Amino acid sequence: KNQVEQSPQSLIILEGKNCTLQCNYTVSPFSNLRWYKQDTGRGPVSLTIMTFSENTKSNGRYTATLDADTKQSSLHITASQLSDSASYICVATTSGTYKYIFGTGTRLKVLA
Amino acid sequence: DAGVTQSPTHLIKTRGQQVTLRCSPKSGHDTVSWYQQALGQGPQFIFQYYEEEERQRGNFPDRFSGHQFPNYSSELNVNALLLGDSALYLCASTPQGRSEQYFGPGTRLTVT
Repeated sequence: KNQVEQSPQSLIILEGKNCTLQCNYTVSPFSNLRWYKQDTGRGPVSLTIMTFSENTKSNGRYTATLDADTKQSSLHITASQLSDSASYICVATTSGTYKYIFGTGTRLKVLA
Repeated sequence: DAGVTQSPTHLIKTRGQQVTLRCSPKSGHDTVSWYQQALGQGPQFIFQYYEEEERQRGNFPDRFSGHQFPNYSSELNVNALLLGDSALYLCASTPQGRSEQYFGPGTRLTVT
C-alpha cells in the first residue's frame, strides 16, 4: 500500500533555531518527493521537488534531502522565523499516473 | 496571472443537503484534482479531471461527483451530506504536459 509517514507530529521551537522534519515513504512506482508548506486554512505551497536521482534541494532557508535507497527524506529549516509556523507536508508522487500520496504533516510552531 | 481560485471560501450546510464547490485553474492548466482535508490530517485524493472526464478516482463514495467544463474549470458536488464531510476541500490544477500541482486556497465546508 502506498504510504507516507511523517515525524514528529508537532514541534515547537524558538525563533532563530534550526529544526529537521522527517518523512518515510512506501510508494511504488516512485517518481518524486515534494515538500509543501501549508498555513492554517490555506492551500499547500510547494517548497521543494526531488527525483530519485537528487540527494538535496534548497529553497532559501529550507533544505530537503532524499535517500532513495532507504526511502527517507528530511526537511531542514535554518534560522527559523515566526512566519515558518505552519504545517509541513511530505508528498510522494507515483510515476505514470502522477498520483500524489500525502503525509499527515508536521505542525511547526515558532515562538518569539 | 491569477492562481488557482476556489469558491466559496466558507460554507455551512445541514446534514442531508447537497453542495457544489467551484474551482478555476491557472491559465494554461488543463487538469484539475480535488482533495478533502480533515482537520489535522493530510489531503485525501477524491478525483482528477482531464478533458472533461474523470481520469482517476480515490476511495470516496458515489455521493462525491464532479464535472469539468470546456474552459477547464471544475465543480465538486457532494450529495446527502454527512457530519464527516466537514473538511477543507482543495482544488489543484496541473499545467499541460506536466505533473506539478498548484493548489487553491480551499473551501471550508462545515456540516451541522
